[in-house]
Parts: sequence; C-alpha cells; structure tokens
Amino acid sequence: DAGVIQSPRHEVTEMGQEVTLRCKPISGHDYLFWYRQTMMRGLELLIYFNNNVPIDDSGMPEDRFSAKMPNASFSTLKIQPSEPRDSAVYFCASRGPYYGYTFGSGTRLTVV
Amino acid sequence: GQQVMQIPQYQHVQEGEDFTTYCNSSTTLSNIQWYKQRPGGHPVFLIQLVKSGEVKKQKRLTFQFGEAKKNSSLHITATQTTDVGTYFCAGGSSNTGKLIFGQGTTLQVKP
Repeated sequence: DAGVIQSPRHEVTEMGQEVTLRCKPISGHDYLFWYRQTMMRGLELLIYFNNNVPIDDSGMPEDRFSAKMPNASFSTLKIQPSEPRDSAVYFCASRGPYYGYTFGSGTRLTVV
Repeated sequence: GQQVMQIPQYQHVQEGEDFTTYCNSSTTLSNIQWYKQRPGGHPVFLIQLVKSGEVKKQKRLTFQFGEAKKNSSLHITATQTTDVGTYFCAGGSSNTGKLIFGQGTTLQVKP
C-alpha cells in the first residue's frame, strides 16, 4: 500500500493565481480529510468527505477555497485566487473502517 | 465549538529524563487519539483510547484517558533522541467522523 499520496510536494505561486492540490486516499478508506497546518494556528480541519460526499466544510476559511471528491480515489483542494496568508502545509488524510488517520506527506504552499 | 487544549507547548529535556504532555477537551469525547509528527514530516497515528480511565502502553510510552473522558496524557519514560517531534492529541466525536487536534507539544531531547 503506497499510503495517502499528495501532489505536488511543494508549490510556489504568485498572489492571485489559482492553486490546485491533489490527494489520492488509501483504497477502501471511506473518509477523506483536508487539514491546513501553520505555526500560528496548528492543524486546522478544512473539510471532510464520507463516501465522496462533503460532510462538514465549516473549516473552509473563505469562498476562495473549494474542495471536490469526484470519486473514491481522488480529491482536490482549490484556492482561487491565492493570497500570501494561504501559505501553509496542506495535509490530506484518509480513514478506513478501523481507527486512526493516515496522513499524506503534505503540500507546502508558498504564495508570494 | 469543541476545543482541545494541549500543554505544554514546548518541552526541552535531557536524554534519559521523562516527559509528559497533557490534553484537555471542552466537551466529553468518544475517543482520543495520539499522533507524532517528526520535524518536516506528517502526523503519524500512535494509538486510540476509548474507555473511561483506559491506560495503554507502547514500550516507553504510556497513554491515559481520564475518567470523565475529557482529558488525556502521554508519558514517555527515559526519553531518547528518537523521541524528538511534536505530539498531538486529537479528540473524536461519536456522531461525526472527524477529529479535533490539539496544538501539539514539541519535544526536544538533548543528548
């Protein structure tokens, strides 16, 4: 099992540009979570899906953020337009029938 | 909303000393999980506690869940340099699948 796969690992973009982060969860896991980690705010839950359906997006900071899960093996988190304060490490995690989240390696986003 | 607080934020110890981090929730939890994140890495699941007063051990790590299921602790006996990292507790709710993470305790171990 390759684990949760995120891409890209690093992204540097200019303010105002669209950014798309990608995640492939572990096969068979029915929950998928998007977290953002910063020094100031720690690990923040942005949105999570159950069986590809968004369940709670109350953590999405603004309308500039959107997430989709078109099928069980793929999810995206999009920021449009990006701003410098969006700079953070974005983690995707999945969970199956047994407890414990498996996190991906994260995407380090820098908006200049 | 639900909040999970963790203390201390940072801890520096000499190798061989013990270390403890504490976690408190504003609400009763259905379970609590602990994760470790190495510098530059991602959180890795360590353990889940479900029962009131539960105690679990993993080698030098001891995890406790409070009687009221609102607090938890992680104790490391005789720290080693490999224990360096940030330890997060995360509280789970019985009616949702989501976890709320504490701010984490960053452990530094001096050899």
